[in-house]
Amino acid sequence: SYELTQSLSVSVALGQTARFTCGGNNIASKNVHWYQQKPGQAPVLVIYRNNNRPSGIPERFSGSNSGNTATLTISRAQAGDEADYYCQVWDSSTVVFGGGTKLTV
Amino acid sequence: QITLKESGPTLVKPTQTLTLTCTFSGLSLNTNGVAMGWIRQPPGKALECLALIFWDDDKRYSPSLKTRLTITKDTSKNQVVLTMTNLDPVDSATYYCAHSGTEYCSGGGCLAYWGQGTLVTVSS
Repeated sequence: SYELTQSLSVSVALGQTARFTCGGNNIASKNVHWYQQKPGQAPVLVIYRNNNRPSGIPERFSGSNSGNTATLTISRAQAGDEADYYCQVWDSSTVVFGGGTKLTV
Repeated sequence: QITLKESGPTLVKPTQTLTLTCTFSGLSLNTNGVAMGWIRQPPGKALECLALIFWDDDKRYSPSLKTRLTITKDTSKNQVVLTMTNLDPVDSATYYCAHSGTEYCSGGGCLAYWGQGTLVTVSS
């Protein structure tokens, strides 16, 4: 089955840029989606199809996908961005999630 | 307004069968391309997609749990039901239902709307 690899944690200073990577074999051939999950809450879709933001998601959130790595970037990180971030793809007719990355601001 | 709400037992004994119901509003499971799914998350661990059901009643299951899962829908009641057999303590988790919506994730690629989740504990 397809595997997505995410680093365990990312730490960034307030106002700086946070980057999250999601590794997978030829992941560029797939659409990658990203979710934000704050403690005790359900996940929220923040990026869909590699680089698109749902309504209500700040422009500070952006995504890219190339080769074997997809990246979520949060510019001008805020304290409210502290959360776990999960990447997700569709593979073999099902949804696959990465292991998640914890952001500390 | 879009809402999804999971319901079911909070405590289940090992070997028993778990039945969870997701009741949703503001969304349809009749629209071409939409899908709903069940996702679980053990405490402190990652998300895991268990099952998906599509508008046309196509169903997909986690390969590792396929033999234990059944997903069904009742569009007249706006409900999706997940059944999991032979529960084990490792199945203790928060169980979420989610919907693809039509604007961002149609076709099953992703899940745009989520319920609040329900914590299920498996213990004797």
